[in-house]
Amino acid sequence: QKEVEQNSGPLSVPEGAIASLNCTYSDRGSQSFFWYRQYSGKSPELIMSIYSNGDKEDGRFTAQLNKASQYVSLLIRDSQPSDSATYLCALPNYGQNFVFGPGTRLSVLP
Amino acid sequence: DTGVSQNPRHKITKRGQNVTFRCDPISEHNRLYWYRQTLGQGPEFLTYFQNEAQLEKSRLLSDRFSAERPKGSFSTLEIQRTEQGDSAMYLCASSLDGAGLGYTFGSGTRLTVV
Repeated sequence: QKEVEQNSGPLSVPEGAIASLNCTYSDRGSQSFFWYRQYSGKSPELIMSIYSNGDKEDGRFTAQLNKASQYVSLLIRDSQPSDSATYLCALPNYGQNFVFGPGTRLSVLP
Repeated sequence: DTGVSQNPRHKITKRGQNVTFRCDPISEHNRLYWYRQTLGQGPEFLTYFQNEAQLEKSRLLSDRFSAERPKGSFSTLEIQRTEQGDSAMYLCASSLDGAGLGYTFGSGTRLTVV
């Protein structure tokens, strides 16, 4: 079983700031990484995936991957109160399922 | 069909009773997954189907748990002799291929065992 670690938070940032969410993983051979957003009481929704070292941008979201350091992060620019949620880092486990981190709870303060 | 549908949304049951949940995946998705999530934790894998075949089961899936996907479409997850530790959100997800493209999750079934 691969392991994924995240700081559980809560991470509080003011509206308009950059929120930085971090994730480390145990298996050096992992190739693909996914970020899910989960609002309270709702199911996770996929927001980004990243496969290559470096940055990948999608609107206000940027995923960053450093395979040498076994580290993946998600940056949210111009944070909005509607971004307040738990952000889950996930990667494919052995087989056909995902292993998820515990999630980081983000609170964007108006 | 615009997403993964799960029923019921909420279930309260007494300890020792059996419960059954249903999941209807996105129609063209051949892979279906069940996960369990407790408060403050990420989802934990339970089992996965490719079409009607159950190809993988987690050690979390004790003998009180059984899942089926009889015609490769909808799936059911049954828990027999429920225990308080079974209280959780049960999430169903589907995908068109393996884990490479990520999942689409349903809204989940929240189980409370009293």
